[in-house]
Amino acid sequence: EADIYQTPRYLVIGTGKKITLECSQTMGHDKMYWYQQDPGMELHLIHYSYGVNSTEKGDLSSESTVSRIRTEHFPLTLESARPSHTSQYLCASSESSSGSYLNEQFFGPGTRLTVL
Amino acid sequence: KNQVEQSPQSLIILEGKNCTLQCNYTVSPFSNLRWYKQDTGRGPVSLTIMTFSENTKSNGRYTATLDADTKQSSLHITASQLSDSASYICVVSDRGSTLGRLYFGRGTQLTVWP
Repeated sequence: EADIYQTPRYLVIGTGKKITLECSQTMGHDKMYWYQQDPGMELHLIHYSYGVNSTEKGDLSSESTVSRIRTEHFPLTLESARPSHTSQYLCASSESSSGSYLNEQFFGPGTRLTVL
Repeated sequence: KNQVEQSPQSLIILEGKNCTLQCNYTVSPFSNLRWYKQDTGRGPVSLTIMTFSENTKSNGRYTATLDADTKQSSLHITASQLSDSASYICVVSDRGSTLGRLYFGRGTQLTVWP
């Protein structure tokens, strides 16, 4: 079982609040990812990181920001939450070496965010 | 455009029955194809992975097939159990980027009834 954790698992907040979704992994993986998933829809990559101090935007435009100060930690922040941010947010990690087994990404359990 | 299409969108079967889920993709250049199982409210968990040279892979009651020529894959579940109720997601990876970009299908929602 993958050692990747997300907190909180569920979050209900009001519009305009600042929130941070936490993601940590203990596998020493360099690459980390944030995905957004709506019910019945595919996962969309919103942010990724190749390693410490590296962050990039993904395919889906997002008003969230991320940071990567430590290898194991990849938090996602929304400065001012809106109802349109309501979704499930999934964090994942993978090894960076070309010899790693076929780029397998290990997923956390997700954070279900509801903005009222 | 790289895409992954899955069918059916949803499926209901009785416990003990078999079922087959389909995946068609247009991702190129192809690296590998995975089937993930995602329980409600959880993250996806990998079931099988196949590269270009592999055409079948089993994991217990799950058997995946791959036809790289027609760009099709299937996931066969044998003797279904109630715990098989989940979304099954087909994920294709390309080898054209250092990121190892993944392309996700929308999943097939499987419900197993007693």
